Amino acid sequence: EADIYQTPRYLVIGTGKKITLECSQTMGHDKMYWYQQDPGMELHLIHYSYGVNSTEKGDLSSESTVSRIRTEHFPLTLESARPSHTSQYLCASSEFGVETQYFGPGTRLLVL
Amino acid sequence: GDSVTQMEGPVTLSEEAFLTINCTYTATGYPSLFWYVQYPGEGLQLLLKATKADDKGSNKGFEATYRKETTSFHLEKGSVQVSDSAVYFCALSEDSGYALNFGKGTSLLVTP
Repeated sequence: EADIYQTPRYLVIGTGKKITLECSQTMGHDKMYWYQQDPGMELHLIHYSYGVNSTEKGDLSSESTVSRIRTEHFPLTLESARPSHTSQYLCASSEFGVETQYFGPGTRLLVL
Repeated sequence: GDSVTQMEGPVTLSEEAFLTINCTYTATGYPSLFWYVQYPGEGLQLLLKATKADDKGSNKGFEATYRKETTSFHLEKGSVQVSDSAVYFCALSEDSGYALNFGKGTSLLVTP
């Protein structure tokens, strides 16, 4: 069983607030990912990282930012939340050179 | 680029019915193929995978065979249970190796 955690699980906030979604993994994986999952279930890669101090934007343009200061931690920040950011955010990790990704339970974000 | 196409849902079956969820892919190289499952309110879990042509992945009664000649990786189960109700995602590893490319997901509902 994968050990990857996301907090909070649910978040309701007002427009304009700054938020940080936390993601941590205890498997020592080098690669980490953030996906946005829309109500139609489709997954969109928004950020990924190959290791400490490495971050890249994914296929879907996102107003969020990420950082990777420690191997186990990959937080995602929205400086000013908007209703269009309402979605589920999934964090994942994998070993370098191994394609299988392990997912956290997700954060459901509602911006009013 | 590489892509995955899976049948649209929702799929509704009675308990003990036979399940097939179709998945086809396009790829320039030799990707690995995956099926992930997402239960309500949770993140994605790896269900099975296959890394080369003619490989069969299997887990929890589910099976899928990597068919290069038809570029397919259909998911099958002989007798579904109510607890199999979930969203199923087909995915492939891109040649670039930086992420998995997911299909849009197929929702399965199994009724008693």
